[in-house]
Amino acid sequence: QQQVKQSPQSLIVQKGGISIINCAYENTAFDYFPWYQQFPGKGPALLIAIRPDVSEKKEGRFTISFNKSAKQFSLHIMDSQPGDSATYFCAAYSDSWGKFQFGAGTQVVVTP
Amino acid sequence: NAGVTQTPKFRVLKTGQSMTLLCAQDMNHEYMYWYRQDPGMGLRLIHYSVGEGTTAKGEVPDGYNVSRLKKQNFLLGLESAAPSQTSVYFCASRSWDRGQGNQPQHFGDGTRLSIL
Repeated sequence: QQQVKQSPQSLIVQKGGISIINCAYENTAFDYFPWYQQFPGKGPALLIAIRPDVSEKKEGRFTISFNKSAKQFSLHIMDSQPGDSATYFCAAYSDSWGKFQFGAGTQVVVTP
Repeated sequence: NAGVTQTPKFRVLKTGQSMTLLCAQDMNHEYMYWYRQDPGMGLRLIHYSVGEGTTAKGEVPDGYNVSRLKKQNFLLGLESAAPSQTSVYFCASRSWDRGQGNQPQHFGDGTRLSIL
């Protein structure tokens, strides 16, 4: 079963707008939450990550918001650019298992 | 610095044929992973390895076998290919970080496999 649920499946946003992608997890053993960006024909690449002891992390135009009590986290892309058009995956990791669970992915299209 | 290299990049097989996908990393990483990516399903873990000579099952291991005889290589085998195994396969590697878990996975660019 999908232990990490991601929404929406796809997203269209105008240049300069804000893209928001949400993920929810079930297992409280997860202790590291990365986001990956994937362009067509390429493998995913780490974009930004957070641990559950902080509620927000910002790197440039990308921000993760984390709500431990709700078991939810989200990616915000500010001032979206056409070059941000890609598929984004959230993931959750447990030190106990040494492996990642991925969300289903969100295809983001930024229109000029 | 090549990072993670997957070979081949593309392959078409007939049902029942066998093949091996090769993943090689030059970063001296302890952890290696094989995923399959299908539309609407994200990345699903097939098998993984936490070090040379070790392997473990992931979410969807049936129909696949793996071997990690050398630290830098992780092989994924399909013994008798089935159409349901048509997918894009990604290999990833990661350094081990005691108690932190914040080392990123480095992915290859994938192998696109079609089984007719």
